[in-house]
Amino acid sequence: GQNIDQPTEMTATEGAIVQINCTYQTSGFNGLFWYQQHAGEAPTFLSYNVLDGLEEKGRFSSFLSRSKGYSYLLLKELQMKDSASYLCAVRDGDSGYALNFGKGTSLLVTP
Amino acid sequence: EAQVTQNPRYLITVTGKKLTVTCSQNMNHEYMSWYRQDPGLGLRQIYYSMNVEVTDKGDVPEGYKVSRKEKRNFPLILESPSPNQTSLYFCASSGQDSAYEQYFGPGTRLTVT
Repeated sequence: GQNIDQPTEMTATEGAIVQINCTYQTSGFNGLFWYQQHAGEAPTFLSYNVLDGLEEKGRFSSFLSRSKGYSYLLLKELQMKDSASYLCAVRDGDSGYALNFGKGTSLLVTP
Repeated sequence: EAQVTQNPRYLITVTGKKLTVTCSQNMNHEYMSWYRQDPGLGLRQIYYSMNVEVTDKGDVPEGYKVSRKEKRNFPLILESPSPNQTSLYFCASSGQDSAYEQYFGPGTRLTVT
């Protein structure tokens, strides 16, 4: 099984930078995903890390440390539309395609 | 356009009345999965399928059935719905060509009274 922990809620100001952390425990790590989900909508893919280091994609970056079982999602130049839930998901090497999701971090961006 | 579709999007039904939620993907993905999402509990996997005629239980399979007769379709069946199955349901698919990223359908909001 897997334990995936991320903060329940965060608040940040428009234009600022926010970091959402995710820690996990897994028997056979095989990739970590971040998804964005607006209320009542489907999750949409943001990033994928399988090797240690930073992956940058526009205003969003994701970092992974496999030895520490740790990842973070960094959002820069926050916009009001970034208010959403951010889901950390881990793929276990033994489970093939299956993803285990954390409970999500609800981010509120304020003016 | 590559997509996962679900129907219906919204459904209100009564306890015990059998229902089916359809899911279809046009990306030739091998893997398909059903999740339910409840406040404070996040996404929980109900059933998944690695390919045609291959299905397996996820974390919360009780009260649900699935089938995978064709690669593109993966319906979710509630034989006798109960109020505790009121939830938001998502279908997702994934394939080797997508680097295993899961594509989600738009969701089905089910209310069982």
